[in-house]
Amino acid sequence: EVQLVQSGAEVKKPGESLRISCKASGYSFSTYWIGWVRQMPGKGLEWMGIIYPDDSDTRYSPSFQGQVSISVDKSISTAYLQWGSLQASDTAMYYCAKSASGVYYFDYWGQGTLVTVSS
Amino acid sequence: DIQMTQSPSTLSASVGDRVTITCRASQSISRWLAWYQQKPGKAPKLLIYEASRLESGVPSRFSGSGSGTEFTLTISSLQPDDFAAYYCLQYNNFSGKFGQGTKVEIK
Repeated sequence: EVQLVQSGAEVKKPGESLRISCKASGYSFSTYWIGWVRQMPGKGLEWMGIIYPDDSDTRYSPSFQGQVSISVDKSISTAYLQWGSLQASDTAMYYCAKSASGVYYFDYWGQGTLVTVSS
Repeated sequence: DIQMTQSPSTLSASVGDRVTITCRASQSISRWLAWYQQKPGKAPKLLIYEASRLESGVPSRFSGSGSGTEFTLTISSLQPDDFAAYYCLQYNNFSGKFGQGTKVEIK
């Protein structure tokens, strides 16, 4: 059974750094793109970027390029989303999601990680 | 950067109604379009991929059509469990873009 289990909710102050995680199981982690999706409070879904775990090839949405960093640790089948300096506008639910074979739509999703940035 | 325009933003309907949601792409995306359902507090759920392929386990009252720049999601007979938000996703050339979403409400 495919499962994506994300790390727990975070409360951070502006300017702090953060890394959230997404642990995958039930499939060959290295050979499927995995991505991140943002959902701000009461708003729609935003595609942030994807990474191919086998070679760490990463593609970002222009809206998120330079704002976040996506990485993986193949040895523990885990993907990460990282911020160097959080802003209040980063407050959102963040989902990781696994792509289907050879294409870039998402067929399995994590439960979401709520990130709250407040002074 | 491909833009997706989804309409309507809100739709009021009754159980048994036929419902149609539209997504338009700013340029051709062939059939690289998926549809998702999201309920409050839950992760999105895949309904349709490649414009018209029904994901395993999804009821047959859901269907998708279209190619190029115009796509539709149809629910043939709305059920109580279908009141939710729906999003299209274009996935093309190592990038993705969601539509703005459609909230299907009880009339």
